[in-house]
Amino acid sequence: QVQLVESGGGVVQPGRSLRLSCAASGFTFSSYVMHWVRQAPGKGLVWVAVISYDGSNKYYADSVKGRSTISRDNSKNTLYLQMNSLRVEDTAVYYCARETGIAAAGSRYFDLWGRGTLVTVSS
Amino acid sequence: DIQMTQSPSSLSASVGDRVTITCRASQSISSYLNWYQQKPGKAPNLLIYGASSLQSGVPSRFSGSGSGTDFTLTISSLQPEDFATYYCQQSYSTPRTFGQGTKLEIK
Repeated sequence: QVQLVESGGGVVQPGRSLRLSCAASGFTFSSYVMHWVRQAPGKGLVWVAVISYDGSNKYYADSVKGRSTISRDNSKNTLYLQMNSLRVEDTAVYYCARETGIAAAGSRYFDLWGRGTLVTVSS
Repeated sequence: DIQMTQSPSSLSASVGDRVTITCRASQSISSYLNWYQQKPGKAPNLLIYGASSLQSGVPSRFSGSGSGTDFTLTISSLQPEDFATYYCQQSYSTPRTFGQGTKLEIK
């Protein structure tokens, strides 16, 4: 079954750390660029970070840059997001998403999403 | 960063109505524009990619058009299951920015 399953969310105090995981199954994980997207309660979708197929290239939203690290273990078919120095405004559902498409054909898109994991930052 | 602006932010419509949602990019993004549908408590679901290509399994009442900076999502005849929030997203560059969303409600 082709799916992504996030885990690792929970309630954490401001300033603490959390590592999110995204387990992939049913497809060749190492062939895909992977993203994290978050959604604060009642708000819209916000892109967080991206990692290339082999993990050699990573980019972050300004809101998490310097505090978060995206990584992947292709041998374990798992994507990670290490989040440090958490802030109240990091409270959100975090989704991992698979990017598919052919850039040369003018299409790149997120065709597979996990169900999300909720991170609540509160004292 | 490329900014994506959707309009309207919310919309009330009836079953059977034709509905159009617009999305404008702050600079040209060619056809690197995607549309997603999200229902409460669920992950987003891809509807349209490359501005006008219908994702497999998505009903044909959904269609997309546009290129450059201006894009539209059209639902030709609203069905009860279409009441949800819709997001556009540019995939021309990183960060892959989303519009703020359009909430489609039942009139």
